[in-house]
Amino acid sequence: EAGVVQSPRYKIIEKKQPVAFWCNPISGHNTLYWYRQNLGQGPELLIRYENEEAVDDSQLPKDRFSAERLKGVDSTLKIQPAELGDSAVYLCASIKAGTATPAFFGQGTRLTVV
Amino acid sequence: GDSVTQMEGPVTLSEEAFLTINCTYTATGYPSLFWYVQYPGEGLQLLLKATKADDKGSNKGFEATYRKETTSFHLEKGSVQVSDSAVYFCALIEGGGSQGNLIFGKGTKLSVKP
Repeated sequence: EAGVVQSPRYKIIEKKQPVAFWCNPISGHNTLYWYRQNLGQGPELLIRYENEEAVDDSQLPKDRFSAERLKGVDSTLKIQPAELGDSAVYLCASIKAGTATPAFFGQGTRLTVV
Repeated sequence: GDSVTQMEGPVTLSEEAFLTINCTYTATGYPSLFWYVQYPGEGLQLLLKATKADDKGSNKGFEATYRKETTSFHLEKGSVQVSDSAVYFCALIEGGGSQGNLIFGKGTKLSVKP
């Protein structure tokens, strides 16, 4: 079984430029999370999807961040425009809701804004 | 909201030493509890979990017991190895049960010296 797939693994952009990250969760996992992990810190939740619905986006900075999961499978997280403080690792995780299975994480996308 | 507090690191131990990493939580209800591990250059991996009070999760020689009375889930290992060097994160599913936001502590970096 394939794990959670994220791309790209690394991205370097100049500030004020847009950037997008893609995540393909494990097949059958209806819950999808996007996290941001700053250096030396724990992951912080940005948004949680149940199927195609964003059930919690309270921590998503909506002035510059957006996300979508149109068909309830893969998801895209976008930042426009990027700021220096957005440099972090962006993690995607998925879980099969209503089960005792844990969340599985992708390798993450390391974003550097210069 | 629910939260997780971990002991601050870094923790440096000699090989074969005993390890304890403290984790306490604040939550409504009885959340599922997890320990995740992040090896250098790798993604987050589930180490162990417990879903109800007095459950003991165990894996790779690590153990943690869900203590409702002290709202704790301390990670222990009797004899650490150099290969255990990593960052360890305590986490819970917010709101109780197995569906909801996965909330992390800040992480504890463990370095094991030969």
